[in-house]
Amino acid sequence: DIVMTQSPDSLAVSLGERATINCKSSQSVLYSSNNRNYLAWYQQKPGQPPKLLIYWASTRESGVPDRFSGSGSGTDFTLTISSLQAEDVAVYYCQQYYYTPALTFGGGTKVEIK
Amino acid sequence: QVQLAQSGAEVKKPGASAKVSCKASGYTFTGYYMHWVRQAPGQGLEWMGWINPHRGGTNYAQKFQGRVTMTRDTSISTAYMELSSLRSDDTAVYFCARDRLQLDWRITTPQNVMDVWGQGTTVTVSS
Repeated sequence: DIVMTQSPDSLAVSLGERATINCKSSQSVLYSSNNRNYLAWYQQKPGQPPKLLIYWASTRESGVPDRFSGSGSGTDFTLTISSLQAEDVAVYYCQQYYYTPALTFGGGTKVEIK
Repeated sequence: QVQLAQSGAEVKKPGASAKVSCKASGYTFTGYYMHWVRQAPGQGLEWMGWINPHRGGTNYAQKFQGRVTMTRDTSISTAYMELSSLRSDDTAVYFCARDRLQLDWRITTPQNVMDVWGQGTTVTVSS
């Protein structure tokens, strides 16, 4: 299975500051035929199910605030929260969907307020 | 609105089976694949498999092959996940999650991105 490694495990950011989360896949998730990266990001708040934020590495799901952005290609990806809000405190997961049916998630990154 | 409502918490003894239900509302149940994902206490997310609610076809993660069965009842828009031979390390919250891609005559495979999630069902395995 493809291993997804996230870093850091946790980070504390001041309100209004930028938060950056990294995700690295053990193999490329870029499909050359359509030039798309098969990488999604989810947000999970305590006691809640995950929420889809981004797919195709950089496409925001409908209704997701534009302070959330995704970037990267191949094996290295980043989720950026441009101006951290209190409601963004959560654990964030990346997920690859290139190698199916063995879908795999990263270990998660916990974002807190400094 | 689109919702997935899961069944309540279960406590099972080792070796038993657990069956979790997931009732869909607000959309055409047979038009989207359904995934199952679990999360052990304090741990990350683990994909278990999917079911095609229209045709009933399934695809399971290798780890769960032989122990998991995913079914559906289209008459009541409900998907089920049954896990057998339970062990203590199966203690987890089990989520159903809808695939993002709507099926039609051209699209017959899932996108494998999950856009709507159930609230989760806690299954505790303890003697």
